[in-house]
Amino acid sequence: DAKTTQPTSMDCAEGRAANLPCNHSTISGNEYVYWYRQIHSQGPQYIIHGLKNNETNEMASLIITEDRKSSTLILPHATLRDTAVYYCIVRLNNRKLIWGLGTSLAVNP
Amino acid sequence: GAVVSQHPSWVICKSGTSVKIECRSLDFQATTMFWYRQFPKQSLMLMATSNEGSKATYEQGVEKDKFLINHASLTLSTLTVTSAHPEDSSFYICSASGLAGSGDEQYFGPGTRLTVT
Repeated sequence: DAKTTQPTSMDCAEGRAANLPCNHSTISGNEYVYWYRQIHSQGPQYIIHGLKNNETNEMASLIITEDRKSSTLILPHATLRDTAVYYCIVRLNNRKLIWGLGTSLAVNP
Repeated sequence: GAVVSQHPSWVICKSGTSVKIECRSLDFQATTMFWYRQFPKQSLMLMATSNEGSKATYEQGVEKDKFLINHASLTLSTLTVTSAHPEDSSFYICSASGLAGSGDEQYFGPGTRLTVT
């Protein structure tokens, strides 16, 4: 039972920012939002995670709304290698990750 | 850092045989390892959670006698698919987590493609 909702697919032009939305309206106060991505036939790659505050690392930025019911992953300058399925996951208190179908991001030249 | 390896990367076996898949955390100690499987065009499905030195906890609907999990050390967990059948053909992925408490990430292996003929 995935606790997140994401668009099925998105397109982005190479060099532009990719903004991937995620709804998690039933998130509990101490549950984290995690983002992973999976390139075809590979294991998932950790991107970023957050609880309340916005987060940034070398890969991406994570913007979480004040009510925590939604978030946006931002890839500031998308490249062709960023083409992948992006998963937004609410991590349960027992550390389990329940995966939805994610957003298939296509970065176009 | 935080590299997880799996071996083999792919395997083909005959129906009725058993296959062992290894998952290793190369540069950290994994107190917990997770096993997933993924069918084509589907998402990852958690099969079981294993803590070092303890019996694995299986998700509902996953047969523990068919999918044997051993987590004997802080850097190695194995999944054995016993008496494999064609419907067990899938992409098996492990992940490893090193820290208890909030904020610990799961780092994933590259996956093992199992084909049962």
